[in-house]
Amino acid sequence: GAVVSQHPSRVICKSGTSVKIECRSLDFQATTMFWYRQFPKQSLMLMATSNEGSKATYEQGVEKDKFLINHASLTLSTLTVTSAHPEDSSFYICSARDPGGHTIYFGEGSWLTVV
Amino acid sequence: AQSVAQPEDQVNVAEGNPLTVKCTYSVSGNPYLFWYVQYPNRGLQFLLKYITGDNLVKGSYGFEAEFNKSQTSFHLKKPSALVSDSALYFCAVRAFTGGGNKLTFGTGTQLKVEL
Repeated sequence: GAVVSQHPSRVICKSGTSVKIECRSLDFQATTMFWYRQFPKQSLMLMATSNEGSKATYEQGVEKDKFLINHASLTLSTLTVTSAHPEDSSFYICSARDPGGHTIYFGEGSWLTVV
Repeated sequence: AQSVAQPEDQVNVAEGNPLTVKCTYSVSGNPYLFWYVQYPNRGLQFLLKYITGDNLVKGSYGFEAEFNKSQTSFHLKKPSALVSDSALYFCAVRAFTGGGNKLTFGTGTQLKVEL
């Protein structure tokens, strides 16, 4: 199946700083990628839909100025958590749809810890 | 709005016994249905999908699922469980018409396979 890669897998940052998480589709071009957040022992919460070459579409309740999404190429989307706070600590997962089919593939996730 | 219900938070089964993880859905129009598995601290791995065609779909690692339109269900099954199948399983749905590419996830079912 298609491969989606995330980096870093784990990151620790200080409160008030910004951190960037990358999501890459390794063997296909993805015009659309999705960013999710997952709290321990809970389901995935869709944060935003990342569209190549245009602005991301954010879900209700997600602060677009805090969670900056950039989809500058067909294989790369980035999520930047700005002015991070401890409550932003979470597991962030990206996904991308295989353009040749209907399956959405997920990255391995990125653990963010804000101290 | 589309939704997914996984009525069981946890399913316990002995190794070698058949397993079933339940999923029901609600969606306008025809559904695309998916099962994903998540191991601790990892992203989601695609198991199988139903788009159209045969109601019984076979996927990775010996898993299969049966689409039942009248009961709006898509239960995940495996004839003989392995200890290594222990993980968190998510059912997801996407509308065939409308709703973009968004996947809606269930709350997840923790499968525990014991010797």
